[in-house]
Amino acid sequence: KNEVEQSPQNLTAQEGEFITINCSYSVGISALHWLQQHPGGGIVSLFMLSSGKKKHGRLIATINIQEKHSSLHITASHPRDSAVYICAVRWGGATNKLIFGTGTLLAVQP
Amino acid sequence: GAGVSQSPSNKVTEKGKDVELRCDPISGHTALYWYRQSLGQGLEFLIYFQGNSAPDKSGLPSDRFSAERTGGSVSTLTIQRTQQEDSAVYLCASSLGGINSPLHFGNGTRLTVT
Repeated sequence: KNEVEQSPQNLTAQEGEFITINCSYSVGISALHWLQQHPGGGIVSLFMLSSGKKKHGRLIATINIQEKHSSLHITASHPRDSAVYICAVRWGGATNKLIFGTGTLLAVQP
Repeated sequence: GAGVSQSPSNKVTEKGKDVELRCDPISGHTALYWYRQSLGQGLEFLIYFQGNSAPDKSGLPSDRFSAERTGGSVSTLTIQRTQQEDSAVYLCASSLGGINSPLHFGNGTRLTVT
């Protein structure tokens, strides 16, 4: 079992839909990152969370430390949101090692 | 520059040759990370630097891989005697170093071993 699990692996949505991507992890962490990678493009850090909830534009990220679960929500989705979304946890051990989920490929159709 | 810079952006090499990949982090960022992303695979941690030291090298796949960082700035990842399975995008990221510091990624070096 991977230490960081994401679901779904693939997601197709219609423009305007509300989207949720989930991340569950099994290790102790100090922080959790949500990353975005466009096809052929670089990686952009969307959020870093250690508790609670963060919002940036149409994106919302939440984390429940007790349940070891985080969600990324996209409201009013748009085709330009199409990308791979990656959950990564900063391991709570002695180093700042990141453990990555396998990503969720999102396609938003017009 | 304002962001993390990696060079070269693309590298094609013959099996058995050595390659050196470079990462220029954002000025002032003490933490530097190397990752790789193989075709169709997720991101894989390779090594983490805090300043010039590497507290965590656990992700380096073999002793053909090594990395160094000098002056708390530029880092080089060296792969000796490259193999075809080394083909991947090698990504570098930097941060201010605190546990709550966001990561800034470079655009990566696409390595193809023929």
